Amino acid sequence: DTGVSQDPRHKITKRGQNVTFRCDPISEHNRLYWYRQTLGQGPEFLTYFQNEAQLEKSRLLSDRFSAERPKGSFSTLEIQRTEQGDSAMYLCASSLTSATEAFFGQGTRLTVV
Amino acid sequence: AQTVTQSQPEMSVQEAETVTLSCTYDTSESDYYLFWYKQPPSRQMILVIRQEAYKQQNATENRFSVNFQKAAKSFSLKISDSQLGDAAMYFCARQGAQKLVFGQGTRLTINP
Repeated sequence: DTGVSQDPRHKITKRGQNVTFRCDPISEHNRLYWYRQTLGQGPEFLTYFQNEAQLEKSRLLSDRFSAERPKGSFSTLEIQRTEQGDSAMYLCASSLTSATEAFFGQGTRLTVV
Repeated sequence: AQTVTQSQPEMSVQEAETVTLSCTYDTSESDYYLFWYKQPPSRQMILVIRQEAYKQQNATENRFSVNFQKAAKSFSLKISDSQLGDAAMYFCARQGAQKLVFGQGTRLTINP
């Protein structure tokens, strides 16, 4: 499978716990994006990477959120001290360049109880 | 702010008819790309059509075409001969040198 894969697909966690999601982009794609999406809304930009460099992080993102992309390959998104408001679908996408389409994974649905 | 606006939260169309989804955007860049993405109920986003801002010719992909008005910063999607499988959320997106930004989406319903 050469598409974008995300793991896990679903995560239920208790408030206050830390969670980490993983995204494996399409091989050789330089750009990797993380978005958050709530039901009926558009994807909300969180952060993006050009290779291993994190080029922009949304001001909406609190210090509880951190993302990495070591060696410019897979990426992880960690949420510390989760809150109920963090419940959402977290989408990862990758693209070859800024001029080409982004391919999306199936997302990780986070539920904070 | 460099935003993307979709003013139609919901649209419906009869099967085999034509429907147009609206999108406007804001950007300070001269070189950028515009996309329409489709998100079916399974929620995986897929590309419908892509337009380079430097091209005057409107992009077309089978039953899908766009009306790109650069001066007005407008980028609408026309779906001809609507099919039941077209039912989904449609998102307009703008890509410049930086991040890919999405609109709020339009839910399209196809009536048989």
